[in-house]
Amino acid sequence: SQQGEEDPQALSIQEGENATMNCSYKTSINNLQWYRQNSGRGLVHLILIRSNEREKHSGRLRVTLDTSKKSSSLLITASRAADTASYFCATDAYSSASKIIFGSGTRLSIRP
Amino acid sequence: DVKVTQSSRYLVKRTGEKVFLECVQDMDHENMFWYRQDPGLGLRLIYFSYDVKMKEKGDIPEGYSVSREKKERFSLILESASTNQTSMYLCASSSRDPGWQYFGPGTRLTVT
Repeated sequence: SQQGEEDPQALSIQEGENATMNCSYKTSINNLQWYRQNSGRGLVHLILIRSNEREKHSGRLRVTLDTSKKSSSLLITASRAADTASYFCATDAYSSASKIIFGSGTRLSIRP
Repeated sequence: DVKVTQSSRYLVKRTGEKVFLECVQDMDHENMFWYRQDPGLGLRLIYFSYDVKMKEKGDIPEGYSVSREKKERFSLILESASTNQTSMYLCASSSRDPGWQYFGPGTRLTVT
C-alpha cells in the first residue's frame, strides 16, 4: 500500500534553529497532511496541503508539496522546547480520500 | 472544543481474554478509524468505518473486529487477546472533506 516515508528518522537541533523534515510517497494523492505526536499521546493535526497547492503556512510551520517528485517538506522555524515531538506525514489514497496512510515519523528533539 | 475519547488509557489483559476498546467522538464525523502504533512501525490502520454499520479492513485486520452501531461510537474488539497485540491503540475520526483526523489520547494495552 502507498505510504509516506519521513526523513530523517530522528533530528536533534538547538532551540531557535529551524527544523526540516521530509516526506516521500508513492502514488497520486488528493492531499497530504502533517501531524505531531507528543510522547505517549494521540496525534494532533498540524496542516493539510492539497495536491494543487505548492506551499502552505501556518504560524511557524511551512509545508511544501512537489507532486512531480512525490515529496513534501515540513519546516518549523525558530524552534522551541515545546516542539519536541514526533512528526508524521500522512497521504490519502486517491481513490479513497477518507482513508490515509501514515509514515513512521521523524523524532524531533530540541536542545535548550 | 472537539473531542475524541477512548475508554481506557492503560489496560492489562490476559492471553485469551476478549477485549473491548471503545471510542466516542462528539463532532458528528462520518469516518472513524482504529490504528495500532508500535515502535519503528508508525501507525498501522486496523479498521475504519465511513458510516454507521459500515466498515472496511485496513492493513492489519487479522485478530480484530469492529462495531459501529451509532455514529459517535466505534468499538475495537480483540476476540482472543494474544501477546503480539500488546500495543498502543489510537482511535480517530474525520469528516469526509477535508479529511484531517482528530485523535483520541490512546489506549496502551498490555497482554500477558
